[in-house]
Amino acid sequence: NAGVTQTPKFQVLKTGQSMTLQCAQDMNHNSMYWYRQDPGMGLRLIYYSASEGTTDKGEVPNGYNVSRLNKREFSLRLESAAPSQTSVYFCASRDRVPVQETQYFGPGTRLLVL
Amino acid sequence: LAKTTQPISMDSYEGQEVNITCSHNNIATNDYITWYQQFPSQGPRFIIQGYKTKVTNEVASLFIPADRKSSTLSLPRVSLSDTAVYYCLVGDKTAGNKLTFGGGTRVLVKP
Repeated sequence: NAGVTQTPKFQVLKTGQSMTLQCAQDMNHNSMYWYRQDPGMGLRLIYYSASEGTTDKGEVPNGYNVSRLNKREFSLRLESAAPSQTSVYFCASRDRVPVQETQYFGPGTRLLVL
Repeated sequence: LAKTTQPISMDSYEGQEVNITCSHNNIATNDYITWYQQFPSQGPRFIIQGYKTKVTNEVASLFIPADRKSSTLSLPRVSLSDTAVYYCLVGDKTAGNKLTFGGGTRVLVKP
């Protein structure tokens, strides 16, 4: 049981390049999330998916697109990377349980845009 | 979404108890309070969750007064490895609801 996995771990892009960050979870969770965390700051929600086939914008969606490929996978795409998108990106998943619920986070993808 | 306010940072010493208070004045009836811990270069991880009164687990205690407008995370007898950022989140349990992280409280445990 790997939990939440993210690839790649680290990426350097030039301004204007595109890339897709991959996220997968093996906990059969319905909801998945993408956050970004800038140095010394808290996490900001980019997009989330309540269930397979649905996606919704979070606080900072501009410049990103997402795809909920299936229940396991939720990808984040930068179509034209900008230096302002330099950040650490975390994927998380969550499910509804009757008593308690948590978000489970992946290890993060460190992105540097030059 | 209920907005949360936490102190930016706190210092403590090994063996002491650390209490972090989170203010959430506009918490809704269906909202729960959840705390996460984040170490450098890692994703956040769940610590504790509660709705009212007191919740305790093997890691921490969570105190919630009757009006639920604030909550206090208590870390007993901290060690150096408890140095981390602690986030307070407020939201309901509907699966798929977005949860908003604030800036968190940076706790530094000194020897």
